[in-house]
Amino acid sequence: EVQLVDSGGGLVQPGRSLRLSCTASGFTFGDFAMSWVRQAPGKGLEWVAFIGSKGYGGGTEYAASVKDRFTISRDDSKSIAYLQMNSLTTEDTAVYYCTRHTSAWYVDNFHNWGQGTLVIVSS
Amino acid sequence: QSALTQPASVSGSPGQSITISCTGTSSDVGTYNLVSWYQQHPGKVPILLIYDVTKRPSGVSNRFSGSKSGNTASLTISGLQAEDEADYYCCSYARSATSVVFGGGTKLTVL
Repeated sequence: EVQLVDSGGGLVQPGRSLRLSCTASGFTFGDFAMSWVRQAPGKGLEWVAFIGSKGYGGGTEYAASVKDRFTISRDDSKSIAYLQMNSLTTEDTAVYYCTRHTSAWYVDNFHNWGQGTLVIVSS
Repeated sequence: QSALTQPASVSGSPGQSITISCTGTSSDVGTYNLVSWYQQHPGKVPILLIYDVTKRPSGVSNRFSGSKSGNTASLTISGLQAEDEADYYCCSYARSATSVVFGGGTKLTVL
């Protein structure tokens, strides 16, 4: 059974950094592309970042709202995906979900979801 | 404002069918068959209902179906049940600065 466990969220001051982790199990992690999707309180879903399988180059893509501030990465030996978030603003307050794609190398659908981790940016 | 346009709410009675529309542009829905739909119950994690416009993941009821015409995708739920009451989001790959766009979500009420 595919499982994605999100962690690392919490309360952080504006301008500071935070790193989220997504620990995967139940599938060959390195064979699949991964993304982070967020949901601000009471709002809709917003895609944040994508990373492809290293077998297909491990390319990354970012939403315009986080480009140059957030970095997605993966450690296939540990089956973990990361989201490094820098220069956080109150607009980044949201539940962050790790997701697994059906594809190895392009942004298709969000097939499996983690339970989410809450990030609150506030002074 | 979301990149894809969905009605804010729809409603139907048990046993009826409803359709939720998702309107994009030629840069997303109109060009790519990478449209997906997600169901989210209050306080719960979203789940994938439909992908590649019409495909259903294993385990999803065949009461859920997807289609596309031009720049508009649609999700149809037949034989409405009380458990279908939830928020529904459409999503598409996009040829833009942001590669993936979601709709704003539609709240389905089963009367």
